[in-house]
Amino acid sequence: QKEVEQNSGPLSVPEGAIASLNCTYSDRVSQSFFWYRQYSGKSPELIMSIYSNGDKEDGRFTAQLNKASQYVSLLIRDSQPSDSATYLCAVIRANSGGSNYKLTFGKGTLLTVNP
Amino acid sequence: ETGVTQTPRHLVMGMTNKKSLKCEQHLGHNAMYWYKQSAKKPLELMFVYSLEERVENNSVPSRFSPECPNSSHLFLHLHTLQPEDSALYLCASSQEFAGTGVSYNSPLHFGNGTRLTVT
Repeated sequence: QKEVEQNSGPLSVPEGAIASLNCTYSDRVSQSFFWYRQYSGKSPELIMSIYSNGDKEDGRFTAQLNKASQYVSLLIRDSQPSDSATYLCAVIRANSGGSNYKLTFGKGTLLTVNP
Repeated sequence: ETGVTQTPRHLVMGMTNKKSLKCEQHLGHNAMYWYKQSAKKPLELMFVYSLEERVENNSVPSRFSPECPNSSHLFLHLHTLQPEDSALYLCASSQEFAGTGVSYNSPLHFGNGTRLTVT
């Protein structure tokens, strides 16, 4: 089982709609979760981080974390064409002693917002 | 300048060439990273430096040689590469480094990358 899984897409939504991006992870001891946005030909840019169960909102973005089900999602409200990009999910897990950490990225989901 | 700066942005090299990629961070971070990004693959961690000391080498072939002369600069020296090494090479930094990854809430800040083509 892959450590961090994302649907590669493309996910197409009309302008103004809600875009929902999902990510599942295999390691139950994962503790930190990040969403990066990567425009074509550009580097990844951190847009959200979440560490505890529930929702975290930042402007049009909402990250949702469910550790019991081992998934983290990103909702983009009122999607704009400028949101068209690849969204990378990244997960940090620590070993049992809490002294070593590993950051793992998913392959990313390509989102296209159509005007 | 602010953030993480990488040069060159694009590089085309033959398999017998020697070239170097440069990364500079202006964020005061203590950890720096090299990642490789190939099409349809997750980001692959290559090397990690913490306080100028290499703390991780993810089984990267010796034709890739990193160098970290100080906490703000990171190089990747390239020699006798293969066509399959063609990819986007990303440098990143983070405030802290813990263990084999990144600390609990110290996310990565990426540079714009070097698009490498090996002919």
